[in-house]
Amino acid sequence: QSVLTQPPSVSGAPGQRVTISCTGNSSNIGASYNVHWYQQFPGTAPKLLIYGNNNRPSGVPDRFSGSKSGTSASLAISGLQADDEADYYCQSFDISLHVRAFGGGTKLTVL
Amino acid sequence: QVQLQESGPGLVKPSETLSLTCTVSGGSVYSDNNKYWAWIRQPPGKGLEWIGYIHHTGSTRYNPSLKSRVAISIDTSKNQFSLKLSSVTAADTAVFFCVRDRVDYFIDVWGKGTTVTVSS
Repeated sequence: QSVLTQPPSVSGAPGQRVTISCTGNSSNIGASYNVHWYQQFPGTAPKLLIYGNNNRPSGVPDRFSGSKSGTSASLAISGLQADDEADYYCQSFDISLHVRAFGGGTKLTVL
Repeated sequence: QVQLQESGPGLVKPSETLSLTCTVSGGSVYSDNNKYWAWIRQPPGKGLEWIGYIHHTGSTRYNPSLKSRVAISIDTSKNQFSLKLSSVTAADTAVFFCVRDRVDYFIDVWGKGTTVTVSS
């Protein structure tokens, strides 16, 4: 069971906007630790997508954005494209467990 | 830019010790005090689990769920760091990633990953 909770799957049609939620508690997101997001294609390593709640590394399109409020965070993907189909993981720091805590991952399907 | 490459046996017998090494290229393991060198694993079809990290000074931090079985070491002369996981069982079968972990708690560089299967 993951420390952070994500929906197992989301879907959307090309061009649409989808959001992926990430719910934590007072020991991680709610303790003001930042949330980060990773994108993983099958058989490959995850790639940093968003860091520090809403910052994009160089090369990540501005179609990807992040937000955080209270004990939750969200990843939004606008102008959905077929090659956005992947698994997405949120991650934060948990002060009670002293670990980099991950969500269970969300599989995005582009219809 | 920094690149990481895992190496080690792909098959380990139950109760034995899993040993992996990560070679860092394009940068130095001791070039930045704000970076850690860490291991993350992903069981087949499942999510990511942070195993632990080491700083170039030798200080370590491990996931409490694995702490009794894990040891991470660093060899600055070879620009490598290593993972040992003892008393493995089938539940330890996973893809293991070596990564660069940051003091602000996120992973900015990932190795390609190596699959380790625990089986007799």
